[in-house]
Amino acid sequence: DIQMTQSPSTVSASVGDRVTITCRASQSISDWLAWYQHKPGKAPNVLIYRASTLESGVPSRFSGSGSGTQFTLTISSLQPEDFATYFCQQYNTFSWTFGQGTKVEI
Amino acid sequence: EVQLVQSGAEVRKPGESLKISCKGYGYNFTTHWIGWVRQMPGKGLEWMGITYPGDAETKYNSAFQGQVTIAADKSTSTAYLQWSSLKASDTAVYYCVRGYYYLEVWGKGTTVTVSS
Repeated sequence: DIQMTQSPSTVSASVGDRVTITCRASQSISDWLAWYQHKPGKAPNVLIYRASTLESGVPSRFSGSGSGTQFTLTISSLQPEDFATYFCQQYNTFSWTFGQGTKVEI
Repeated sequence: EVQLVQSGAEVRKPGESLKISCKGYGYNFTTHWIGWVRQMPGKGLEWMGITYPGDAETKYNSAFQGQVTIAADKSTSTAYLQWSSLKASDTAVYYCVRGYYYLEVWGKGTTVTVSS
């Protein structure tokens, strides 16, 4: 299976900060990568797919980049509702695998 | 609104059987793949497998093949995850998900606790 290594595991940030989360694949996955947000007690939701395509309804402060083995999720100006856990998922090679998650906290 | 509504938390003893469910609302259940993701306590997410309600085609992560059964009933728009004999190591939160590649819609999760 392809291993997804996500960093950092925790980010301490303030409202208005720019936050960057990285996901590295153990082998090339082209741009078959998605990013998700998960808040406690709620269903996770997809933010970005195909590495950089914003899901409908997701605020434009979220952006994704990368291809091959290195990917980045950026939140340009952190809002109060963005404090959550973020994780990546590769869907290049069956079975799909996930990063370990990054918790964005105050 | 498209949503996946999962059944409630379960507590079972090792060796018991269990079936948890996930009902789809707001979309054509028959034409979208639906599957399951596991999160063990303190661990990351693991994709378990998916099924296509339209023709019952089902695919498993090799790690879960033979350990669980994934199925869907298109007449009730409900997907199921089933165990015939639970182990303590099956203790986890199980998320129902829609999508074949990236996971477009998630349920809130069902907590399964297996303890003697």
